[in-house]
Amino acid sequence: GAVVSQHPSRVICKSGTSVKIECRSLDFQATTMFWYRQFPKKSLMLMATSNEGSKATYEQGVEKDKFLINHASLTLSTLTVTSAHPEDSSFYICSARDLYRASDTQYFGPGTRLTVL
Amino acid sequence: AQSVAQPEDQVNVAEGNPLTVKCTYSVSGNPYLFWYVQYPNRGLQFLLKYITGDNLVKGSYGFEAEFNKSQTSFHLKKPSALVSDSALYFCAVSALSGYALNFGKGTSLLVTP
Repeated sequence: GAVVSQHPSRVICKSGTSVKIECRSLDFQATTMFWYRQFPKKSLMLMATSNEGSKATYEQGVEKDKFLINHASLTLSTLTVTSAHPEDSSFYICSARDLYRASDTQYFGPGTRLTVL
Repeated sequence: AQSVAQPEDQVNVAEGNPLTVKCTYSVSGNPYLFWYVQYPNRGLQFLLKYITGDNLVKGSYGFEAEFNKSQTSFHLKKPSALVSDSALYFCAVSALSGYALNFGKGTSLLVTP
């Protein structure tokens, strides 16, 4: 149980294009999902907290117009990197909290490797 | 604000020997502490957590961690390391249940045969 998936696992795009990353909780409902960014050999940095049915809360320094987050259902949150540039290349990881059990534990997706050329 | 420190970038241990990966934390109030493991190009896998109760927490794959309030530490341990334990380990803290996690920088564990 408590499986989180991400799609795609890897994406390469041209500079200036937009990329959408999906995060799904497969076997549980998640009112809250989190989006993290991880640079090579670095820790995870929280980008935003995604709440089902409401606007996401962004961390300081994260451009909300560049990293669009939508959490339309209890099992799906999407992160859209708009007008991507090479500096946006990174490993993006989402996590989700199980609404009904062990709500203090976050379960992480496998990550999405974004490369912007 | 809460934070986590993992003082070691890398820990090397021979297979069969005990291992310890260190973590200290800073948080106002009671901490929610977690350990996750990450294999190359993969997401994070939950190992164990401390919320309240017994200071010694047992988790997945034979790992355990001891919460020490006076030393504000939450070190990860395993009595006998396996080569397959080689991975990147993250300690994380949250000040509130279910809220976003603050991660340490990670410690790379290398277990040699």
